[in-house]
Amino acid sequence: AQSVTQLDSQVPVFEEAPVELRCNYSSSVSVYLFWYVQYPNQGLQLLLKYLSGSTLVESINGFEAEFNKSQTSFHLRKPSVHISDTAEYFCAVTPRAGAGSYQLTFGKGTKLSVIP
Amino acid sequence: SQTIHQWPATLVQPVGSPLSLECTVEGTSNPNLYWYRQAAGRGLQLLFYSVGIGQISSEVPQNLSASRPQDRQFILSSKKLLLSDSGFYLCAWSGQEISGNTIYFGEGSWLTVV
Repeated sequence: AQSVTQLDSQVPVFEEAPVELRCNYSSSVSVYLFWYVQYPNQGLQLLLKYLSGSTLVESINGFEAEFNKSQTSFHLRKPSVHISDTAEYFCAVTPRAGAGSYQLTFGKGTKLSVIP
Repeated sequence: SQTIHQWPATLVQPVGSPLSLECTVEGTSNPNLYWYRQAAGRGLQLLFYSVGIGQISSEVPQNLSASRPQDRQFILSSKKLLLSDSGFYLCAWSGQEISGNTIYFGEGSWLTVV
């Protein structure tokens, strides 16, 4: 079984400041890793994912996440946030193969509030 | 391209009334389909998933049920709603052709049981 821990439930940050949203996971098998974003009253949108290759993955709107296998982490970062980044962010994992490989395990989410 | 639609977007139902939320996926065949529930402060909870027509697996025992009458249609139902059924319900899909088992979500349905 897998588990995901998002260490911060809420993160306030000033506009144009950098931000890091932390995610740690636990799994006995290799996993794929995801970040989803949820804007108020909307469904979840895929922000970025790590499948293989370079451990640093980027999204089209300036977010990046780095897979660290030794620390079992997949932290999300952005060097300069905008008001429009205000949303809830979910980290998720799924096994690469075997039982449960079609299911996502989510963290409880981190609410990012960007302050003007 | 693939799209997913679910409806209704919002629903207010009295306790003890029935429920039907519908979800359809376009642009793919034989998708895996999911129903999640999101309650305040509790993250996302997988309720049901389906890997094919008529194949439904339940993750959490409750008074909800799911059905998949067609390849790209997934329905969440209840015969008698409880107050605790209130929440934000999300339909989702993943496909064989999508690498990394990536799951894509619909826009969600707000259910308030009064």
